[in-house]
Amino acid sequence: SQQGEEDPQALSIQEGENATMNCSYKTSINNLQWYRQNSGRGLVHLILIRSNEREKHSGRLRVTLDTSKKSSSLLITASRAADTASYFCATDAREYGNKLVFGAGTILRVKS
Amino acid sequence: GAGVSQSPRYKVAKRGQDVALRCDPISGHVSLFWYQQALGQGPEFLTYFQNEAQLDKSGLPSDRFFAERPEGSVSTLKIQRTQQEDSAVYLCASSPHSSGVSGNTIYFGEGSWLTVV
Repeated sequence: SQQGEEDPQALSIQEGENATMNCSYKTSINNLQWYRQNSGRGLVHLILIRSNEREKHSGRLRVTLDTSKKSSSLLITASRAADTASYFCATDAREYGNKLVFGAGTILRVKS
Repeated sequence: GAGVSQSPRYKVAKRGQDVALRCDPISGHVSLFWYQQALGQGPEFLTYFQNEAQLDKSGLPSDRFFAERPEGSVSTLKIQRTQQEDSAVYLCASSPHSSGVSGNTIYFGEGSWLTVV
């Protein structure tokens, strides 16, 4: 079963606006990753943040991690229509061994 | 190849039929993973190989599911006597790291879409 929950489940915004997605998890983690999945396609790795990091940037992406609240957020700035996709957080933890545990995802639609 | 390749991309199986799904990982990648993704859900772990050794099969939902990677490269996921609840996307992923997923990027294929009718 999935340990993470993401909110919102779906988000619809206008091109140029910022999009924020949140992820909560239940156990102590080593790392948290965000992936993107276009409709009918595989997952593409976006960014990894380690448990001892609080914030990380990559281009228009900004990820924060709050281990005390067991939560993370993904911010996409100046969104584009091409950002339309599903976004998943995934965690790895010592107790999970060699697996990533994914949340249910947020469906982002960017309208042009 | 340049990425993880999976075949077939789409498979329709009649209930009770056996299916085999193939994964060609990125050349030289040590670790290989299979995930199952139901419609509208995130992927769920099925099994993990390090080279030819299947180190974790805790996610396989029943004994109808079997995976192998006999030469440490190509892997096959076999589902026997398919049921409607097996309908999902089966994603394969690989990584060059022998330390599994912790702190490492893993690279996903496009998936095999299985529909059981």
